[in-house]
Amino acid sequence: AQKITQTQPGMFVQEKEAVTLDCTYDTSDQSYGLFWYKQPSSGEMIFLIYQGSYDEQNATEGRYSLNFQKARKSANLVISASQLGDSAMYFCAMREGRESGGSYIPTFGRGTSLIVHP
Amino acid sequence: DTAVSQTPKYLVTQMGNDKSIKCEQNLGHDTMYWYKQDSKKFLKIMFSYNNKELIINETVPNRFSPKSPDKAHLNLHINSLELGDSAVYFCASSQESTGSETQYFGPGTRLLVL
Repeated sequence: AQKITQTQPGMFVQEKEAVTLDCTYDTSDQSYGLFWYKQPSSGEMIFLIYQGSYDEQNATEGRYSLNFQKARKSANLVISASQLGDSAMYFCAMREGRESGGSYIPTFGRGTSLIVHP
Repeated sequence: DTAVSQTPKYLVTQMGNDKSIKCEQNLGHDTMYWYKQDSKKFLKIMFSYNNKELIINETVPNRFSPKSPDKAHLNLHINSLELGDSAVYFCASSQESTGSETQYFGPGTRLLVL
């Protein structure tokens, strides 16, 4: 079973509008971390935001926020006021702890391609 | 002042050859990783390594081997290259001992096997 599911292969948004990229995860660990990365067409992987499983508040970094719903096992990325430069692939990732004998290495979703229209 | 660097950026080679990709990080991190990204953009962890433990993704063929001369370097050796090895390979690093979760990625090495 996939540990990270990103159900939206592609998303379109108008410049200056907000967009939500979905991510659901599967783990039996109590301690885990969730990440979002951005990969523009130039190819580099850029860290955006992190949420720990014990963090009570949703993580925010500038225009990025992570809508963390633990009971639903979802960690959606919200980008406010989209800009043309936000057009990229976005990857959700999770790193589990060692409670369940996991390897403590991260797994990535298959990504969502976001296109921002002018 | 690049945090995580990889060389070469592009690598074109013949099937059957042996090649290496170098990775260096100047962040003082204690853990380094290698990832493979295929043509469909799927990113798969290959290795995780710190000075105590090497964790290998069991699906990685043993033609691939990480070599770490010191804490700041984790090189990837690939023997007997195959067509299916063509991909982008990313190196990354993080500081595990402080519980910091963020991984910083290198720019990637685009490998093409002919």
